Amino acid sequence: AQRVTQPEKLLSVFKGAPVELKCNYSYSGSPELFWYVQYSRQRLQLLLRHISRESIKGFTADLNKGETSFHLKKPFAQEEDSAMYYCALSQSSASKIIFGSGTRLSIRP
Amino acid sequence: DGGITQSPKYLFRKEGQNVTLSCEQNLNHDAMYWYRQDPGQGLRLIYYSQIVNDFQKGDIAEGYSVSREKKESFPLTVTSAQKNPTAFYLCASIGGGETNYGYTFGSGTRLTVV
Repeated sequence: AQRVTQPEKLLSVFKGAPVELKCNYSYSGSPELFWYVQYSRQRLQLLLRHISRESIKGFTADLNKGETSFHLKKPFAQEEDSAMYYCALSQSSASKIIFGSGTRLSIRP
Repeated sequence: DGGITQSPKYLFRKEGQNVTLSCEQNLNHDAMYWYRQDPGQGLRLIYYSQIVNDFQKGDIAEGYSVSREKKESFPLTVTSAQKNPTAFYLCASIGGGETNYGYTFGSGTRLTVV
């Protein structure tokens, strides 16, 4: 069965420190992986997709098929990065997306 | 200004009542979705619809019902059969049915049972 696991409910780091939000998935085929972010009082929005290989707001995520992981990374955390982050998965051309349980990132000044 | 509009923002329901949450989009998206967001549980899929007049159950459909009479609208009814309806409800849509582009989300409705 498809599953997305985010092992950390809360991650707290100091401003300027590196950030890594962990995401592991279980899926036997070729998945599409996403990271979504929800800032305080804002709607949930797409942060990045693995197929785009892009860096958004300094965040990157590499799909590691051997480890079935899609960790989200940023070298230097900023206070405005504080938010709820969700890792998500779908199979190619699938009709729905499956979400992990989310990680709350808190950046301390 | 294209997007998804959910209303109301806050909704209070008495025990035994049915309530309907509205979701409207002007993005010309084919597929629409309802998720429930609970702390520590992420987003769980309630129902989804890929075309007008057709919809499928998600992982937690019991106690909920939907309709899709128009492409723009996908209302969710929370019935009295839903034992724990207090939650944050999110509506989403996607164009062309291709999930690799990711969802567009509404701003959500917070439902509280009083």
